[in-house]
Amino acid sequence: SQQGEEDPQALSIQEGENATMNCSYKTSINNLQWYRQNSGRGLVHLILIRSNEREKHSGRLRVTLDTSKKSSSLLITASRAADTASYFCATEDQGGKLIFGQGTELSVKP
Amino acid sequence: DGGITQSPKYLFRKEGQNVTLSCEQNLNHDAMYWYRQDPGQGLRLIYYSQIVNDFQKGDIAEGYSVSREKKESFPLTVTSAQKNPTAFYLCASSIGSWYGYTFGSGTRLTVV
Repeated sequence: SQQGEEDPQALSIQEGENATMNCSYKTSINNLQWYRQNSGRGLVHLILIRSNEREKHSGRLRVTLDTSKKSSSLLITASRAADTASYFCATEDQGGKLIFGQGTELSVKP
Repeated sequence: DGGITQSPKYLFRKEGQNVTLSCEQNLNHDAMYWYRQDPGQGLRLIYYSQIVNDFQKGDIAEGYSVSREKKESFPLTVTSAQKNPTAFYLCASSIGSWYGYTFGSGTRLTVV
């Protein structure tokens, strides 16, 4: 079962530009998490936003959460070629397990 | 360094064979998870364990089996009943979903 759905599926930008990825989900959540995956590697936890938070920052990352619209966005500012990766949102199901979306594939061209 | 280790990195299976993927963590995490990832797809949950000697099926458990005899270890066996096992397998652990998951580097399984 898929809870989160990312949009767009793929995004290509130039170095220095900002990248925005969106995630929509279906049921109520306790928190929403974003992960990064480099090609052929495991996922790395980036940031967690609680359901009572609207915005959270970590370095060049900014996450927003709109529980009324059941959506979240991940903004990467001043992107670098090293940011090239797939980005996944994940939400917790009723059993406490994370359900991942399909991911957004980000390509940052130097 | 604390972390989660998956081995082998690449694994080849012949038709009709069972193969076992290893997952070991030294993070003292209670919960461990196995996910399957197909090309260009998200992660699908195979099995999970929230405590030693206990585990539950995820969304796609058919053709797979697990054990959790030790806190540190959560091996996954891909049985011959799994008809389409070629995929990237990811193991993860957590102290609780509020703290995020820690993932291993994955095992790529190919049927030959």
